[in-house]
Amino acid sequence: SQQGEEDPQALSIQEGENATMNCSYKTSINNLQWYRQNSGRGLVHLILIRSNEREKHSGRLRVTLDTSKKSSSLLITASRAADTASYFCATDAVTSNTGKLIFGQGTTLQVKP
Amino acid sequence: DAGVIQSPRHEVTEMGQEVTLRCKPISGHNSLFWYRQTMMRGLELLIYFNNNVPIDDSGMPEDRFSAKMPNASFSTLKIQPSEPRDSAVYFCASSNRFGYTFGSGTRLTVV
Repeated sequence: SQQGEEDPQALSIQEGENATMNCSYKTSINNLQWYRQNSGRGLVHLILIRSNEREKHSGRLRVTLDTSKKSSSLLITASRAADTASYFCATDAVTSNTGKLIFGQGTTLQVKP
Repeated sequence: DAGVIQSPRHEVTEMGQEVTLRCKPISGHNSLFWYRQTMMRGLELLIYFNNNVPIDDSGMPEDRFSAKMPNASFSTLKIQPSEPRDSAVYFCASSNRFGYTFGSGTRLTVV
């Protein structure tokens, strides 16, 4: 069964706008990670947030984590056409002691120039 | 660092044939993961190894699938016999305590 579920499934915005993607999960986690996948390519790690952290920034990316609601959000500010990709959240469950990641279904983001 | 290297990049095979996918993890990473990605099911974890030992293969769909990691620098995922529903992109990833790195994947088409 999927650990993470993301919404929206698809998001289309204009260049310069902000994009927000949400992820919910089911079990207690060690950390939550966000990945990006360009069409036909592998997954690229974007950012990791640990269970004791609430917010993390990396460049134009901002990730929040609410462990009480078992949810996370990824905000991309001032989006660019090059941000067009699929974005996945992945959780490292507490019950896993080997870093096993379970991925959500992903959000497909289209940024129009 | 060449990253995680997978081969082949593309594989087209006929139903019933044996398929072998290969992965070279990043040197020093102690965990290796095989994932399958399809439109319908998204990214599914098939099996993972820790220090070359299979830890959890509960995601392997059927006995037709098998995976080995004979040493720290090489792993294979084998499908025998292959079926059209096995068509997907298969990703290998390796990790250490700092994070995961994915390969570029093998796109498998079984006709």
